Amino acid sequence: GEDVEQSLFLSVREGDSSVINCTYTDSSSTYLYWYKQEPGAGLQLLTYIFSNMDMKQDQRLTVLLNKKDKHLSLRIADTQTGDSAIYFCAEYNQGGKLIFGQGTELSVKP
Amino acid sequence: DTAVSQTPKYLVTQMGNDKSIKCEQNLGHDTMYWYKQDSKKFLKIMFSYNNKELIINETVPNRFSPKSPDKAHLNLHINSLELGDSAVYFCASSHSGRTYGYTFGSGTRLTVV
Repeated sequence: GEDVEQSLFLSVREGDSSVINCTYTDSSSTYLYWYKQEPGAGLQLLTYIFSNMDMKQDQRLTVLLNKKDKHLSLRIADTQTGDSAIYFCAEYNQGGKLIFGQGTELSVKP
Repeated sequence: DTAVSQTPKYLVTQMGNDKSIKCEQNLGHDTMYWYKQDSKKFLKIMFSYNNKELIINETVPNRFSPKSPDKAHLNLHINSLELGDSAVYFCASSHSGRTYGYTFGSGTRLTVV
C-alpha cells in the first residue's frame, strides 16, 4: 500500500543538528524526496535520493536511506531559525504518484 | 521567471457557488497535477494530466473537474462548493521520465463560508 509516515513536530536550538525521520511502505519506490514548506508558501524541493543509494549529502543536508527498513531521514547541520518550516518526505512509486507524509513541523529556537 | 503560477492566491466564496482555479507553468514540463492540502497540512493528489490527457484521477467528488487546454495549463473547476472543500490547492508540474521531483505553485487558499 501507499503510506508515508513522519513525526509531526521537532524542536531544536539554533546551531544544533536536526534529524527528521520518515518511514514508507511501498518497497517499489524508486525515488524519495524531501520538500520544505514555509508558512503561506508552496513546497520547495530540497533534495532527493534514488532507492539504490544509501546516503546523499548536499551542503548542510544529509539524507540517509535504509531500504531494508524503509526508513528515510534528513539531517540538517547547524540548524538556523530560517530552517523553521514544515518538512515533507515523499515517495515516487511505480504507480507514477508522488505520495507525501504528514509533514514534520521544525521549530528552531534561538 | 520560470515557475508554476496559480490564480487566485485566495478565494472566499459561499456554499453552493461554482469556482475555478487556474494554473500555468512555463518550465516546458509535460505533466501537471492538482494536490489538496487540508487543515492538518496533509497533501493528497487529486488529478494528473500528461500532455493534456488525464492519467491520474483519485477518489475525488464529481463536482471537481480538471481541464487541460494545453500541456502548459491545468485548471480546476469546482461545482456546488461545500464547507469541506475549504483547503489549500496546489498545482505542480514535472517532466515525465525524469525524477527531479515536482515543481509546485504557491497554492490557492479556498475558503467556503
